[in-house]
Amino acid sequence: EIVLTQSPGTLSLSPGERATLSCRASQSVSSTYLAWYQQKPGQAPRLLIYGASSRATGIPDRFSGSVSGTDFTLTISRLEPEDFAVYYCQQYGPSPMYTFGQGTKLEIK
Amino acid sequence: QVHLQESGPGLVKPSGTLSLTCAVSGDSISSGNWWTWVRQPPGKGLEWIGEIFHSGTTNYNPSLKSRVTISVDKSKSQFSLKLTSVTAADTAVYYCASSGIYALFHWGQGTLVTVSS
Repeated sequence: EIVLTQSPGTLSLSPGERATLSCRASQSVSSTYLAWYQQKPGQAPRLLIYGASSRATGIPDRFSGSVSGTDFTLTISRLEPEDFAVYYCQQYGPSPMYTFGQGTKLEIK
Repeated sequence: QVHLQESGPGLVKPSGTLSLTCAVSGDSISSGNWWTWVRQPPGKGLEWIGEIFHSGTTNYNPSLKSRVTISVDKSKSQFSLKLTSVTAADTAVYYCASSGIYALFHWGQGTLVTVSS
């Protein structure tokens, strides 16, 4: 089973700052199979990024995803007040199965 | 726009069976999507339960496989989850979702199921 480790656990930043969230896979993961979600309290997760770097429909371009080896990164270029939430990475496979990272909480400093 | 809506009992007794249904609208359940269940214990992270294709093909999380059944009813445009022999550890918000291109694109609002006597 592939384990996804997200860091940091909590990130404290101010609106307007740049956020960099990391997701490291325990073994090689195809970028095709890596996605990022945003979850606000009391709400379902919302897909932000799929295929490591493709934005889902309606997602602002301040959200971007990248990959380097087994390290995946979600970057929010300039934080808006509505961006403070929990973020999860997710990978698909091996065998048909989705696994999620433990989440990074992005909080207002 | 795909809309998903979960329904089912919010309280299940220990050792009982959890049963939920997800109604699909805005897309054909016979489209190329897989239809998925995910759960989230209170204050914790996300756990994939399993998925079904309109043909009836299923894939399950190995950790739950012995207790899970997912089925589809194309005539009602809905799919269902059954989880047997539940314990308090199965208390969670249960989400249905549609998956494609290896990601979960659309989610229901979720429903809290509590396992308690």
